[in-house]
Amino acid sequence: GAVVSQHPSRVICKSGTSVKIECRSLDFQATTMFWYRQFPKQSLMLMATSNEGSKATYEQGVEKDKFLINHASLTLSTLTVTSAHPEDSSFYICSVLFPNYGYTFGSGTRLTVV
Amino acid sequence: GDSVTQMEGPVTLSEEAFLTINCTYTATGYPSLFWYVQYPGEGLQLLLKATKADDKGSNKGFEATYRKETTSFHLEKGSVQVSDSAVYFCALDSGGSNYKLTFGKGTLLTVNP
Repeated sequence: GAVVSQHPSRVICKSGTSVKIECRSLDFQATTMFWYRQFPKQSLMLMATSNEGSKATYEQGVEKDKFLINHASLTLSTLTVTSAHPEDSSFYICSVLFPNYGYTFGSGTRLTVV
Repeated sequence: GDSVTQMEGPVTLSEEAFLTINCTYTATGYPSLFWYVQYPGEGLQLLLKATKADDKGSNKGFEATYRKETTSFHLEKGSVQVSDSAVYFCALDSGGSNYKLTFGKGTLLTVNP
């Protein structure tokens, strides 16, 4: 099947620093990737759709300058949380839509900003 | 716009009990419907899906039937196990060129021995 690898699984950073989260498609090319944010005991909120070779499409209310998305290759998309603050602490999950396998999710990244 | 309304939890059951988690949806066109499961600290795993009306998705003893007339996709399992304890999400994809999954709020299921 299709596997999506997300790294790191957990990260703790100091307020004001930036954190990069990677999402890799291991078996197939991924033209489109999705980034979600999940608050405790809540559902997933789509943040942006990442398209290889072009700018990401952000959902309404998501700050483009804070959550930088780079989809530079057909197997890798990165989400950088810039100048992180405690309110950015959350669980971030990426997803890839594969034509034959549907939506496949990474294992998520727990970000804690202290 | 698209939306998914899911039974709020938490749901606590004893092992071998019957499980139902209700899910209804609002969507344009003919969406595909999904149930995902999330174990603690992990991402989402597809549990089952249905792509058209009257389809029944099934996996690991779980079932859900796509009911267009009631816009529902309720999840059921006849006999739950402790290992089924997780958060369950109902979701839809309206399809077309704008790929996007819309999720319900999730239902936490705890199964006690």
